[in-house]
Amino acid sequence: EVVMTQSPATLSVSPGERATLSCRASQSVSSNLAWYQQKPGQAPRLLIYGASTRATGIPARFSGSGSGTEFTLTISSLQSEDFAVYYCQQYNNWPLTFGGGTKVEIK
Amino acid sequence: EVQLVESGGGLVQPGGSLRLSCAASGFTFSSYWMSWVRQAPGKGLEWVANIKQDGSEKYYVDSVKGRFTISRDNAKNSLYLQMNSLRAEDTAVYYCAKSPRACSGGSCYSNWGQGTLVTVSS
Repeated sequence: EVVMTQSPATLSVSPGERATLSCRASQSVSSNLAWYQQKPGQAPRLLIYGASTRATGIPARFSGSGSGTEFTLTISSLQSEDFAVYYCQQYNNWPLTFGGGTKVEIK
Repeated sequence: EVQLVESGGGLVQPGGSLRLSCAASGFTFSSYWMSWVRQAPGKGLEWVANIKQDGSEKYYVDSVKGRFTISRDNAKNSLYLQMNSLRAEDTAVYYCAKSPRACSGGSCYSNWGQGTLVTVSS
């Protein structure tokens, strides 16, 4: 099983600042990586797939990068609606696995 | 507009069974892989099972193999998850999810239902 490790567990950021979230895979997953945003009481929302392709309707302030085992989600200028939990997910190997999440909170 | 509406959750005793349903609308259901993903209270996401468009391929996470069965009825635009021999660790919100064409094999999820809570407890 590919273990996905996200860091940090919690990120405190002021509105307007940049947020950088990391995701590491225990073995190469090529570019088969997705990022999701989840707010309390809501279903997850797909942000990025293929490591760097924004999903439909996702603002340009969200960007993904990386390949192999190291991935990054960057939110260029945090808006109030971006405070949430973010998950990475690999889909290169079965079973499909998610990271433990990074909570982005208001500083 | 894509809509996925889960139902069938509830309280069940350990060892019991439950069948979840997901009613899909707003897209050609028979053209997409479909999946179940769960989230234990206060925890992260866990993929549970996938099913191919025609039901000919199914995949499960190891922890549910032999106990859960994913199925679909394309004529009714519905996805199902039959859960048997339920355990306390199966307690979670269960989401029905649809994959975009860009993610082959039902491997990432662009649309999610609101989830249905399954609680396994005596």
